[in-house]
Amino acid sequence: DVKVTQSSRYLVKRTGEKVFLECVQDMDHENMFWYRQDPGLGLRLIYFSYDVKMKEKGDIPEGYSVSREKKERFSLILESASTNQTSMYLCASSFVGARTGELFFGEGSRLTVL
Amino acid sequence: GENVEQHPSTLSVQEGDSAVIKCTYSDSASNYFPWYKQELGKGPQLIIDIRSNVGEKKDQRIAVTLNKTAKHFSLHITETQPEDSAVYFCAALKGLGSNYKLTFGKGTLLTVNP
Repeated sequence: DVKVTQSSRYLVKRTGEKVFLECVQDMDHENMFWYRQDPGLGLRLIYFSYDVKMKEKGDIPEGYSVSREKKERFSLILESASTNQTSMYLCASSFVGARTGELFFGEGSRLTVL
Repeated sequence: GENVEQHPSTLSVQEGDSAVIKCTYSDSASNYFPWYKQELGKGPQLIIDIRSNVGEKKDQRIAVTLNKTAKHFSLHITETQPEDSAVYFCAALKGLGSNYKLTFGKGTLLTVNP
């Protein structure tokens, strides 16, 4: 079975702190994604990557950056956390091309910024 | 860009009844429509999908229908059980060359009452 593992299920950080959210997948997927999930707003794409060292902005990239140094690992970085970044963050992976829509998600990382 | 509308936002049914969730999309170039189920505390999981060259697909108690002309697709769950309680997301995938984009609906919270 495909496994997408997010390093932290729950985090509490202070405003202004730098936050790293790590994600690892074991299916050799080319695509990796970071989504943010908020009540009533559904799943919003922050960034995605279709290859090592490649990244593309999603719909809400402001305040975030990403890193993909290895194919299996995709990191989301909040350079200076703010309270409006309190949310559930979901990592996902998939094959490229027409199978892009067949996403495999991690369990999520719930971030609270105080 | 693509816009996916999902209705209803909440749905409550009695165990054994049927449940229907409807989505509409705006871009006729979208050609793949997955449905995801998110149980409490977990990441979304792909449960069924349909491609634009097919009008209906069924997998045990769940089925999906697609009307390309009207640009809408629906998820049907028959003989609902308490374990069907979850948030369901529809999505539409549009591909252009090597660039693919997946757009999600905002989700439906389904509650199946015993």
